[in-house]
Amino acid sequence: DAGVIQSPRHEVTEMGQEVTLRCKPISGHNSLFWYRQTMMRGLELLIYFNNNVPIDDSGMPEDRFSAKMPNASFSTLKIQPSEPRDSAVYFCASSLEGRFGYTFGSGTRLTVV
Amino acid sequence: GNSVTQMEGPVTLSEEAFLTINCTYTATGYPSLFWYVQYPGEGLQLLLKATKADDKGSNKGFEATYRKETTSFHLEKGSVQVSDSAVYFCALNNNDMRFGAGTRLTVKP
Repeated sequence: DAGVIQSPRHEVTEMGQEVTLRCKPISGHNSLFWYRQTMMRGLELLIYFNNNVPIDDSGMPEDRFSAKMPNASFSTLKIQPSEPRDSAVYFCASSLEGRFGYTFGSGTRLTVV
Repeated sequence: GNSVTQMEGPVTLSEEAFLTINCTYTATGYPSLFWYVQYPGEGLQLLLKATKADDKGSNKGFEATYRKETTSFHLEKGSVQVSDSAVYFCALNNNDMRFGAGTRLTVKP
């Protein structure tokens, strides 16, 4: 298995632009998670899906952030419009049963200038 | 609520030294406990886990024992190597995964 695949690995964009981050979970996993990592706040859970349905989006910082999971093999996290304070590493993770652990992707490093 | 508190870093050790990174948790019920490792420029990797009290998780020379009486899951390794330099995260899962702040370990030759 190729693991959790995220794209792009790096994204540099100008303030105000729309940014879309992509994630392909491990085949057969039924839960998908989006995290944001910064030096100041560490790892923050933004949103998670179970069987493609958003379960908890209380970590999404504001309305500029949205996430979708149209099918079991694909999810997107969109920021519109982007701001410099959104600069961070965004991780996607998936699991079959959370109590056995999550598998993380390599992350997308987003820089908003 | 559910939360994890781990030892603040950074931790700097010489090669072959003994490592302990402390982790304590607060949770209702019976969570699973984990240690994840993050190497530079990479995502988090599951290092070891324990799903019930008194279980010992182990991998790559690292160990941690699920202690319900002290609500702890301390990470240990008897002899660290330079290649162990990374950030280590303690985590618990009780319906969702909660991570500690991470502890940066640097091992010097």
